[in-house]
Amino acid sequence: GAGVSQTPSNKVTEKGKYVELRCDPISGHTALYWYRQSLGQGPEFLIYFQGTGAADDSGLPNDRFFAVRPEGSVSTLKIQRTERGDSAVYLCASSLGGKGTEAFFGQGTRLTVV
Amino acid sequence: AQKVTQAQTEISVVEKEDVTLDCVYETRDTTYYLFWYKQPPSGELVFLIRRNSFDEQNEISGRYSWNFQKSTSSFNFTITASQVVDSAVYFCALSESMEYGNKLVFGAGTILRVKS
Repeated sequence: GAGVSQTPSNKVTEKGKYVELRCDPISGHTALYWYRQSLGQGPEFLIYFQGTGAADDSGLPNDRFFAVRPEGSVSTLKIQRTERGDSAVYLCASSLGGKGTEAFFGQGTRLTVV
Repeated sequence: AQKVTQAQTEISVVEKEDVTLDCVYETRDTTYYLFWYKQPPSGELVFLIRRNSFDEQNEISGRYSWNFQKSTSSFNFTITASQVVDSAVYFCALSESMEYGNKLVFGAGTILRVKS
C-alpha cells in the first residue's frame, strides 16, 4: 500500500511473554521511527533508524526493548519479558530522512499486557 | 530540554464556530521545526503542517490557518467554520536537532469535539 503499515493492529499478551511488532514503511523512505503512545498522552519517541542502523535509541525505556531494520525497509520492535506497564499503542513512522521532513505514521499496534 | 505545551485538554464547539488550538514550545535550538498532526478515532496521526524556525509567515490552507510567533514561542492552529469531521485529537510537535530526519517531541494533545 501507499502508507505505513503496522501489524498486528492489536496484540494481547501475558505478562512475561515476548512480542514482536512489525512496521512496513513507505517505499523509498530511509528514515523510520518508533513511538509509544499511552492513553491520553502524546506519542513518545523510542528509536530512530536511518537506513539499517539505529541512529538514535535514546527513547527505549530499558534493555527489554530492542528494534531492528536489517535491510533498511521493514522494522521489528521486540519486547522481552513484557510487563503491564508496556501496554500502549506503538506507532511507527517513516520519512524521506532529510532534516525537517514530515513523518508519516501508521495506524499503530495496540499492545495489551495482561 | 525540548518541551511542547498544549494547555487546552479538551474543547467543545458547535458546528460552524471558529476554534483556536494553542501550542507553546521551549527549545534552545536556533533551527527547529514545528508540526501539527491530527489523530482521528481511527488512531492514525495525519500530518497537517510543518513550519521551520526561520519562516514566521502565517499560513492558510482552506479552513485551517496557523499563527507562528517566535517572540512568544507559540504556534497556534485555527479552524474556521468547524465541521463535525474536524472532531479529533490534535497534536503540536517540535523536532529536536538531528543530523537527519526528526525526533519529534509531542504535546499532550487537545481533544476537539465539534457538535452538530
